Amino acid sequence: GAGVSQTPSNKVTEKGKYVELRCDPISGHTALYWYRQSLGQGPEFLIYFQGTGAADDSGLPNDRFFAVRPEGSVSTLKIQRTERGDSAVYLCASSLLAGDNEQFFGPGTRLTVL
Amino acid sequence: AQSVAQPEDQVNVAEGNPLTVKCTYSVSGNPYLFWYVQYPNRGLQFLLKYITGDNLVKGSYGFEAEFNKSQTSFHLKKPSALVSDSALYFCAVRHYTGGFKTIFGAGTRLFVKA
Repeated sequence: GAGVSQTPSNKVTEKGKYVELRCDPISGHTALYWYRQSLGQGPEFLIYFQGTGAADDSGLPNDRFFAVRPEGSVSTLKIQRTERGDSAVYLCASSLLAGDNEQFFGPGTRLTVL
Repeated sequence: AQSVAQPEDQVNVAEGNPLTVKCTYSVSGNPYLFWYVQYPNRGLQFLLKYITGDNLVKGSYGFEAEFNKSQTSFHLKKPSALVSDSALYFCAVRHYTGGFKTIFGAGTRLFVKA
């Protein structure tokens, strides 16, 4: 079956611009997670959704970052006024439920802020 | 605060020899522990998890991990390494604190020489 997909695979933008990153989870998975991975580091938790609601957004670095999941399936991570330090690979994962379920990861979106 | 430490940036092992990739964690209460693998140009893949029960858990591709509560460790092991096991390995811990935030270690690169 289809796995987690993320679009675009690569995004190059200029400092100060707004970007949206999209995640399509595995069908039927109720939990969805966003991570940021910098070179040489492990994934850094940003936010996770259980259904449509953000169950834990404690990892969002500041108010420039926002994520939505309006219908409990597709999610969009939105970054306003991008900064060079936002450059990273943004990973999305989904799981059947939160808790002890393993997560299935997408291939990521590589964001480069010039 | 939750944390995960992978003390080795890199592990080198000869094909056919046993391998160990180390992981220690710090979390209050009972953790959920996971190992994921990342192959070049591919997304993170789940290997195995410890939730409760037997301290030795078996996972994909012949890998296993041993949970040691007194040492707060969850080392990944394989009795006989293959060249194809060469990849980046991440340990992760999840703990319920009103949500299921997952914390990943920085990763350990495994090189298996023929």
